[in-house]
Amino acid sequence: GENVEQHPSTLSVQEGDSAVIKCTYSDSASNYFPWYKQELGKGPQLIIDIRSNVGEKKDQRIAVTLNKTAKHFSLHITETQPEDSAVYFCAANSGYALNFGKGTSLLVTP
Amino acid sequence: GAVVSQHPSRVICKSGTSVKIECRSLDFQATTMFWYRQFPKQSLMLMATSNEGSKATYEQGVEKDKFLINHASLTLSTLTVTSAHPEDSSFYICSLWGGSYEQYFGPGTRLTVT
Repeated sequence: GENVEQHPSTLSVQEGDSAVIKCTYSDSASNYFPWYKQELGKGPQLIIDIRSNVGEKKDQRIAVTLNKTAKHFSLHITETQPEDSAVYFCAANSGYALNFGKGTSLLVTP
Repeated sequence: GAVVSQHPSRVICKSGTSVKIECRSLDFQATTMFWYRQFPKQSLMLMATSNEGSKATYEQGVEKDKFLINHASLTLSTLTVTSAHPEDSSFYICSLWGGSYEQYFGPGTRLTVT
């Protein structure tokens, strides 16, 4: 089945700096790659997604890049703010189910 | 995206009892919903896929007689944890399938079995 690896597991940055989280996947048939933000005690919130016919997508301070040949995709957050602190999960589809990475705990310090 | 609610948000039950968790789609007709379990500091683990009007499909290792899923309408799916034990204590999250791979998650239910 699909295997999604996510790195790093923890990331600490200063406010204003950029944060990058990387994921790899194993199933070449995957064509949908969402990123979720989860705050403590809450459900995951979809923040951005990318499909395999696109190499890059941007939404304000958040961008995602996809390299289908290498089977990896990345989340980029620019101008980080303390409210960006949360756990971020990447995922890749297997059919219409999603397989999640293990998560990255992002801490943005003022 | 779609709005999903769960009820209750927190529940404490005694070992051996059953507890029902509701997942509602507030603004979307959800033919397919998913149930996940998340242990502290871990990722989401898919338990089962719930299709409206048919039996749920369970992931390997998930006991279908212990985790009963009912998806009787396009806006409601329920998960019943039967004969709960302390090891069933977890964060249970539902999501609905948006029609083109995307999933929208509920706020989760914290279950504590004493």
